[in-house]
Amino acid sequence: AQSVTQLGSHVSVSEGALVLLRCNYSSSVPPYLFWYVQYPNQGLQLLLKYTTGATLVKGINGFEAEFKKSETSFHLTKPSAHMSDAAEYFCAVSDGGDFGNEKLTFGTGTRLTIIP
Amino acid sequence: GAVVSQHPSWVICKSGTSVKIECRSLDFQATTMFWYRQFPKQSLMLMATSNEGSKATYEQGVEKDKFLINHASLTLSTLTVTSAHPEDSSFYICSPRGLAKNIQYFGAGTRLSVL
Repeated sequence: AQSVTQLGSHVSVSEGALVLLRCNYSSSVPPYLFWYVQYPNQGLQLLLKYTTGATLVKGINGFEAEFKKSETSFHLTKPSAHMSDAAEYFCAVSDGGDFGNEKLTFGTGTRLTIIP
Repeated sequence: GAVVSQHPSWVICKSGTSVKIECRSLDFQATTMFWYRQFPKQSLMLMATSNEGSKATYEQGVEKDKFLINHASLTLSTLTVTSAHPEDSSFYICSPRGLAKNIQYFGAGTRLSVL
């Protein structure tokens, strides 16, 4: 079984400050890891994903995440927050099975607020 | 980019009635459709997976006779909540995936309130 824990249901940062959203996972097999963003009244959009290879993954809008197996973590970061980053962020894990049918297990989400 | 249309975005119904939620993939063919349910402050929970033209596979604890899924075409899937009760009130999200695009897209969700 897989699970995802997102520490902090709400995170507030000042505009221009570092964004750090935490995600820890558990998985009995090598995981595939994802970060999704959800803006108000929109569907989840893929920010970035880790499958294999380089552990530092770069995504859209300046976000990146690093897969740390020893810490079972996949924290999301952005060096400088922008007002447009305000949204709900979801971390997810899958078992990397037969692509097209693997199931995603989501965290509870972190609402990011940007302070002007 | 791909666009997913989920309708309605919000529905209020009386207990005992049925509600149909539509999910359309507008610019790609969705060979697989995932339906999720989300309670406040909780994760998205997978309800069922369907492949076009096949019966849906339901997750443990999800009543297949209450949550009817139809995936008759590559661009349309529907979820019907039959004989809805207040405990069915939740946020339902569709997520189509196409073979030609190796990522999963999500609808904006439908908030169901059963009175």
